[in-house]
Amino acid sequence: DAKTTQPPSMDCAEGRAANLPCNHSTISGNEYVYWYRQIHSQGPQYIIHGLKNNETNEMASLIITEDRKSSTLILPHATLRDTAVYYCIVSLQGGSEKLVFGKGMKLTVNP
Amino acid sequence: EPEVTQTPSHQVTQMGQEVILRCVPISNHLYFYWYRQILGQKVEFLVSFYNNEISEKSEIFDDQFSVERPDGSNFTLKIRSTKLEDSAMYFCASSEVWGRTNNEQFFGPGTRLTVL
Repeated sequence: DAKTTQPPSMDCAEGRAANLPCNHSTISGNEYVYWYRQIHSQGPQYIIHGLKNNETNEMASLIITEDRKSSTLILPHATLRDTAVYYCIVSLQGGSEKLVFGKGMKLTVNP
Repeated sequence: EPEVTQTPSHQVTQMGQEVILRCVPISNHLYFYWYRQILGQKVEFLVSFYNNEISEKSEIFDDQFSVERPDGSNFTLKIRSTKLEDSAMYFCASSEVWGRTNNEQFFGPGTRLTVL
C-alpha cells in the first residue's frame, strides 16, 4: 500500500500557484519523496524529488517539512496543461526501486 | 529528448491468446519496469528487471507473465494465456544506474490491452 495520503482533488485558477499537499508520516530516514503526474491516460511523468531540503526545478518546487512527515508540491503558475492526477510517492533512491502509486490527487486548472 | 516508446498502442486479443507487449527503453538506462493500470484504478507495479534478470515482481506477476530483453534495445512483456481481467493499460518504464542523483523512472505512453 502507498505510504502517502493526499486529498482526492483540488481546483486552481490558471496563472495562480497550485499548492499540492501530501502526508507521509511513516517515512523512513532513507526514503525520498517523489512527485509524478499523469495527464489523462498517458504514462506517469516525473516532476521532482527530495530528501529533506527544499528542491526546485523547471517544473515545480518541493517543500518538505522539517520533521519530513509532510510535503507540498508547488506549481508556481498553473496552466491548463497542468490538469492531471498528481502522485506523491515515498521511495528509496535506487535504480531498481519500484514505485508504489496511491490514488493521487486530481488537480483541475480552470480558465 | 530521449523517451521510452511502446508498441502497439492498442492491442485487442481473444481470451486465452498470447500477447507480447514491446518497449524500447531509453538507450543508456539499465533498469526496466512494467506497470499496469486497470481503467479507473491505480497504477500497479508488475516487475523490475536489471542485468538480464528479474529484480522484483509483484503478486500480479504470476506464471502467465514473463519478461525478456531479447536484444540490446527491446524489453518485452509476454502474457501467455490472457484473461478478461488482464485488460488494462500497460506502461513500460526505465531508469538509470542505481545511485545517481536524479534517477527518476521514465514512462512510456502505454499499450492498451483489451481482452475479449
